[in-house]
Amino acid sequence: AQTVTQSQPEMSVQEAETVTLSCTYDTSESDYYLFWYKQPPSRQMILVIRQEAYKQQNATENRFSVNFQKAAKSFSLKISDSQLGDAAMYFCAYRSRTNAGNNRKLIWGLGTSLGVNP
Amino acid sequence: KAGVTQTPRYLIKTRGQQVTLSCSPISGHRSVSWYQQTPGQGLQFLFEYFSETQRNKGNFPGRFSGRQFSNSRSEMNVSTLELGDSALYLCASSLGLTGYTFGSGTRLTVV
Repeated sequence: AQTVTQSQPEMSVQEAETVTLSCTYDTSESDYYLFWYKQPPSRQMILVIRQEAYKQQNATENRFSVNFQKAAKSFSLKISDSQLGDAAMYFCAYRSRTNAGNNRKLIWGLGTSLGVNP
Repeated sequence: KAGVTQTPRYLIKTRGQQVTLSCSPISGHRSVSWYQQTPGQGLQFLFEYFSETQRNKGNFPGRFSGRQFSNSRSEMNVSTLELGDSALYLCASSLGLTGYTFGSGTRLTVV
């Protein structure tokens, strides 16, 4: 069974600086998707960035980028030029590319609470 | 384009009662998934529906059930509520494998 681990329950960063959130996962599959989601106090889970395992190039979305190390099963999120609005819970999630039966779901880490200091 | 709508936003129920939560997906999305979020267990998959058929079910007791209607709206039901069922219940609709869009959830408190 696949698992996702986020080893940093809480982190903080100064406004305008850069922070990296860690995520490791375990799977025997070779083809899958990885996600970072943000959950602000409004509770809605918002997609930050998505990575397809068969693509070696790291995904980037504006100030957000990932460092995807497939062999090491590591998927970290880098937030550049941090803003007050980035303060939230961040979740790493895994989804098998296989669409059959028990694979049809997201598997989540426990999250990292990110604080941004003005 | 309207997002995923979950109702109600908050709910307080007594142990032993039953509850029904509703999720209206994005128009055109035929897949709806449900997740339970608690501080201790994190996010746990409950079930997924596609075109009115349950395609996958998580490791929850039979007290947790769901269904999907022909317009893709979904409901989940929890019978004989226990204190441990207190959680945020999140619904996501998707178009394909990775386009998950979440609602703001229903906060259920069991007293």
